[in-house]
Amino acid sequence: GAGVSQSPRYKVAKRGQDVALRCDPISGHVSLFWYQQALGQGPEFLTYFQNEAQLDKSGLPSDRFFAERPEGSVSTLKIQRTQQEDSAVYLCASSITINTEAFFGQGTRLTVV
Amino acid sequence: AQRVTQPEKLLSVFKGAPVELKCNYSYSGSPELFWYVQYSRQRLQLLLRHISRESIKGFTADLNKGETSFHLKKPFAQEEDSAMYYCALSGIIQGAQKLVFGQGTRLTINP
Repeated sequence: GAGVSQSPRYKVAKRGQDVALRCDPISGHVSLFWYQQALGQGPEFLTYFQNEAQLDKSGLPSDRFFAERPEGSVSTLKIQRTQQEDSAVYLCASSITINTEAFFGQGTRLTVV
Repeated sequence: AQRVTQPEKLLSVFKGAPVELKCNYSYSGSPELFWYVQYSRQRLQLLLRHISRESIKGFTADLNKGETSFHLKKPFAQEEDSAMYYCALSGIIQGAQKLVFGQGTRLTINP
């Protein structure tokens, strides 16, 4: 399809395990965002890419969180040594530029047990 | 600090009644403001943005810079309007361009 695709849709991880979440943005979209959405909360900004450049990572909650977009297309959000507080839905969005409509993926629901 | 505030977590109105979802923002500059909607089991999607000044699905939102508000309004609610609504702001925050969201309002339209 032509929309933003995220995989996996659901992930259960044991505490301490590393996870990798994938985002396939819409082709040609320069801007890519990652958000964390806890239950009952709005999306919280994690990081922003313009092409392959990570221009803002101020929202990453700890150094266990790492994101990359090496070729300016697919992006991966990696969480090392997962903790229970990492349980949330992780949303990816892409847009043509920063101020245009952001198109969201369906999200990855991460549950850390 | 720049932020978006949606004071109501839950809002319930009857079908045919007017709806107003409140959004206030704090931003030192000229922000871009958006309303996003998430229907049940669907992904978050754009409803409208202030710069386009259009009506989508009967909803309108006017940017009031004096009151720093961007409330979403519809004169006659329909059952299919039941969803989560998020107000969002795009601007320079902490030295970098960001798109930030409010906490969301769950709108329920009763028959």
